[in-house]
Amino acid sequence: GAGVSQTPSNKVTEKGKYVELRCDPISGHTALYWYRQSLGQGPEFLIYFQGTGAADDSGLPNDRFFAVRPEGSVSTLKIQRTERGDSAVYLCASSLVHDTEAFFGQGTRLTVV
Amino acid sequence: QKEVEQDPGPLSVPEGAIVSLNCTYSNSAFQYFMWYRQYSRKGPELLMYTYSSGNKEDGRFTAQVDKSSKYISLFIRDSQPSDSATYLCAMSGFNYQLIWGAGTKLIIKP
Repeated sequence: GAGVSQTPSNKVTEKGKYVELRCDPISGHTALYWYRQSLGQGPEFLIYFQGTGAADDSGLPNDRFFAVRPEGSVSTLKIQRTERGDSAVYLCASSLVHDTEAFFGQGTRLTVV
Repeated sequence: QKEVEQDPGPLSVPEGAIVSLNCTYSNSAFQYFMWYRQYSRKGPELLMYTYSSGNKEDGRFTAQVDKSSKYISLFIRDSQPSDSATYLCAMSGFNYQLIWGAGTKLIIKP
């Protein structure tokens, strides 16, 4: 596709449920990033993939959060036992190589009720 | 204290005015400086990318970096209503992990 695609656009889930958020990066981009953005804040780094492997997962807040990128393209962010504090916009970005010129998707707005 | 400080605004200016947006930072290791524009319910869009100190111009946009003062600026000339958005600064060291400001909401009044 022409840009980074994220699905779903919006997700409402009940506290304690499991959710999966999908990111389809720009074709050919080897680096993929997940960020979380709370209202009125800048994005907060979660995890970075280079190819299939997680090169830096230091931003994941706890072990309820996990992300995969099994074929080096599409990535899924998984959140177990969701909490109301997980409500935010989850942004995915990709870049050709690991540098700062990353291109963002429109985000998935997660609401935990 | 946050690593990157940015006034959240909102900043409201009339159409055609010159807009000045700024960020300050504390980490002297930052080498890469970016400005992103984010429209409501959209992802951030890269506007300007600068390495180290100096100026960079692209159309109506000029980015300035003053590493000695740990201060970066984005100037928008001939501002248009379509420039109304939130502007986020972001920066990183050689690990390329971006640290973001909170964003400044800009409103251009027709």
